[in-house]
Amino acid sequence: AQSVTQPDIHITVSEGASLELRCNYSYGATPYLFWYVQSPGQGLQLLLKYFSGDTLVQGIKGFEAEFKRSQSSFNLRKPSVHWSDAAEYFCAVGGTGSARQLTFGSGTQLTVLP
Amino acid sequence: NAGVTQTPKFRILKIGQSMTLQCTQDMNHNYMYWYRQDPGMGLKLIYYSVGAGITDKGEVPNGYNVSRSTTEDFPLRLELAAPSQTSVYFCASRLGTTRDTQYFGPGTRLTVL
Repeated sequence: AQSVTQPDIHITVSEGASLELRCNYSYGATPYLFWYVQSPGQGLQLLLKYFSGDTLVQGIKGFEAEFKRSQSSFNLRKPSVHWSDAAEYFCAVGGTGSARQLTFGSGTQLTVLP
Repeated sequence: NAGVTQTPKFRILKIGQSMTLQCTQDMNHNYMYWYRQDPGMGLKLIYYSVGAGITDKGEVPNGYNVSRSTTEDFPLRLELAAPSQTSVYFCASRLGTTRDTQYFGPGTRLTVL
C-alpha cells in the first residue's frame, strides 16, 4: 500500500529565508508525486508534480521539488519565502490503479515571520 | 470555467439528520472524488467515480453514499449523521489521462452535534 510521511507538522521561517519541506513516500513502483498548498478556508492548489524524467521539478510561485528515488523523498524547496506563502502544504502520491486516487501526507503548516 | 464547485460551504447537522453535499465540475472530467479532511490529518478518499453511472468505495466509505447520473455532478449523501462525520469535505475531479492533475473544490465544512 502506498503511504506518505511529512515529518514536520509545523515549520516557522522568517520572510526572505529559504524553505525546505520534507516528504517521504512508500510505493511499489515509480510514483506519481504531487505537492499541494492549502490556504486557510480554501481548497487545495497544485504547486507541482512529478511523473518521470528530470528529477528536479519546477512549480508555481517559485517552488521546486527534487525526486530522490534512493531516499524515497520528494522535498519541496523555495529559496526566499514570502509572507503570502504561509499556508498548509501537502505531499501526495498518486496510484496507478483504476481510481488513480491520491494518498496524502498529514501536512506541514508553514508560518512566516515578518 | 468555474472549475469544481461545492455547496454548501458550511453546515451544522444534528445527530441522525441527513444531507447531501453537492459537487459540480464544468471541465468535462471523467473522474471525480470525495475526500474528507480531519484536523491535523491529510485527506482520505471516501468514494470515487470513473464516469457517469460508475462509482466505487475509497478508504473510508462507511456512512456515505454517492451517485453519478451525469458527468458534471457527483453528490455525496450522509444518511444518518454522526459526530465522527464532523470534517471538511473536498470534491475533486480530473480528466482521466495518464499524467493529468486532480482539481479540488473549496470544501464544505460540516459539523455534527
